[in-house]
Amino acid sequence: AQTVTQSQPEMSVQEAETVTLSCTYDTSESDYYLFWYKQPPSRQMILVIRQEAYKQQNATENRFSVNFQKAAKSFSLKISDSQLGDAAMYFCAYRRGGAQKLVFGQGTRLTINP
Amino acid sequence: NAGVTQTPKFRVLKTGQSMTLLCAQDMNHEYMYWYRQDPGMGLRLIHYSVGEGTTAKGEVPDGYNVSRLKKQNFLLGLESAAPSQTSVYFCASGASGTYNEQFFGPGTRLTVL
Repeated sequence: AQTVTQSQPEMSVQEAETVTLSCTYDTSESDYYLFWYKQPPSRQMILVIRQEAYKQQNATENRFSVNFQKAAKSFSLKISDSQLGDAAMYFCAYRRGGAQKLVFGQGTRLTINP
Repeated sequence: NAGVTQTPKFRVLKTGQSMTLLCAQDMNHEYMYWYRQDPGMGLRLIHYSVGEGTTAKGEVPDGYNVSRLKKQNFLLGLESAAPSQTSVYFCASGASGTYNEQFFGPGTRLTVL
């Protein structure tokens, strides 16, 4: 079974600095997709960024980028120029190609210090 | 567009009571999902549907039933609520495509006493 592990229950960063959230996953599949979701105190799950396993180029969305290391099964999220609005729980998720189920990690709570 | 909406937002039940959670989406998505989120854990899939009239079991289906009579609605039922079903429930919808991206509703906090 596929598993997703986020080893950092909590992280904190100073406003305007850069922070990296870790995620590792375990799969024997070659066709899969990876996602980072943000869950602010409002509880709404918001997709931050996504990556297809076949694409070697790391995905980027404005201040958010990933470091996708396929051989190491690692998918870390880098947030540059951190803002107060970035404070939230962040979840890494995996989906096997052709499957419906998203497998989530346990989450990392990110605090932004002003 | 309202996106994905869930009714109700909060509910308190007594053990043994039944209830139905309603999810509605206005994005014409084929796929719909029900997840639960427990403290210290990510979301886990309960049931899902790949189209009107179809449903399938997810990772933690026991104690729940679902129905997808209309494309835009996905209902989650608890026939006899148990304290172990105290959780936050999220509905999501998605369209077929490369990423099959899922869009989530705001969640329902359910407490079973």
